[in-house]
Amino acid sequence: GAGVSQSPSNKVTEKGKDVELRCDPISGHTALYWYRQSLGQGLEFLIYFQGNSAPDKSGLPSDRFSAERTGGSVSTLTIQRTQQEDSAVYLCASSLDVTEQFFGPGTRLTVL
Amino acid sequence: AQSVAQPEDQVNVAEGNPLTVKCTYSVSGNPYLFWYVQYPNRGLQFLLKYITGDNLVKGSYGFEAEFNKSQTSFHLKKPSALVSDSALYFCAVRDPPGYSSASKIIFGSGTRLSIRP
Repeated sequence: GAGVSQSPSNKVTEKGKDVELRCDPISGHTALYWYRQSLGQGLEFLIYFQGNSAPDKSGLPSDRFSAERTGGSVSTLTIQRTQQEDSAVYLCASSLDVTEQFFGPGTRLTVL
Repeated sequence: AQSVAQPEDQVNVAEGNPLTVKCTYSVSGNPYLFWYVQYPNRGLQFLLKYITGDNLVKGSYGFEAEFNKSQTSFHLKKPSALVSDSALYFCAVRDPPGYSSASKIIFGSGTRLSIRP
């Protein structure tokens, strides 16, 4: 596609439920990033994928968070047993190596 | 480890006046520096970057930024502000390739720019 796409655009869930957020990067981009942005705040790095290398998971806040990238393209961020503090906008970005990132529109997650 | 600071939460400027949004950084090697803009309810858009070369880089929408190695700064500037420039601006930094931390791009906390007519 022309840009990074994310789905769903909005997700409302109940505390304790699992959620999956999807990211489709720009075709050919080898790097993919996940960030979390709380209301009006800065971006918190979560995880980074680069080609076939082991992902950099150092930003994941707890073991309830995990992500995978299948076939070097689509990525899924999974949050298990969601908590209210997980409510945020989850942003995905892709890039060609160390060049600038292209961001998706984000998924707004609300945990009730 | 790399870090980036945006000391101003908000910058207010009158339309037509010059604007500056400040950013300072700390990295292990020569930095890769970026500015992004976020309009309300939208994703981040790339504005400009410094990798190497001329210290003054020009980007989208008439913005420019000056890399100052001695002051470890990368301030965003525009000679004449527009009301439509009102948005949230983020500075970002990463270590160059070869460093173990190079995979991360670290973002500042953001500066809200408000341009009054």
